[in-house]
Amino acid sequence: DAGVTQSPTHLIKTRGQQVTLRCSPKSGHDTVSWYQQALGQGPQFIFQYYEEEERQRGNFPDRFSGHQFPNYSSELNVNALLLGDSALYLCASSSQGANTEAFFGQGTRLTVV
Amino acid sequence: QKEVEQDPGPLSVPEGAIVSLNCTYSNSAFQYFMWYRQYSRKGPELLMYTYSSGNKEDGRFTAQVDKSSKYISLFIRDSQPSDSATYLCAMSEGSSASKIIFGSGTRLSIRP
Repeated sequence: DAGVTQSPTHLIKTRGQQVTLRCSPKSGHDTVSWYQQALGQGPQFIFQYYEEEERQRGNFPDRFSGHQFPNYSSELNVNALLLGDSALYLCASSSQGANTEAFFGQGTRLTVV
Repeated sequence: QKEVEQDPGPLSVPEGAIVSLNCTYSNSAFQYFMWYRQYSRKGPELLMYTYSSGNKEDGRFTAQVDKSSKYISLFIRDSQPSDSATYLCAMSEGSSASKIIFGSGTRLSIRP
């Protein structure tokens, strides 16, 4: 059973560019959350998708947007990249319910130069 | 002030020692309390979670939650070199998988 898979694993972008990161949830999961983890920090919640809609959002600007597809996979888009957007972007999948575990992928390491 | 405060360490202890990791928080609405372990270049993996106050034990790991003091702890008994990793405390309001707020992580090293 494949866990949460993210692509690409690494990428380098230039300031002002746009980037799209992808996530396939663990089998049986219908909810996807995205987190940003800066070096030496804990992950910060960006947003969560369920039933193809954004259900919750953290304190991130509108440059960060997402999408969930009918097969539950998800994309994170970041526009007008800033140097400060350099981080590890983590995708977590889960099922709905109170006592459910969030499974994290390996992350995408984004470097903005 | 951050919602969740965690000493970043690093913390270095000899093999076999008891390790104590702690976090404090300010949001009284948190109901789910988790500990994640993160190895270098990997995503976090859930070690334990507790709903509301109390203790929970799983093998060499014990998690404690004191909601009155807004303080949570993780104890590792008989620590092993393979326990060397970054430990992240985490909390949420609605469920254990919903909008998780993480501490900054404590880097732990177990010396053989």
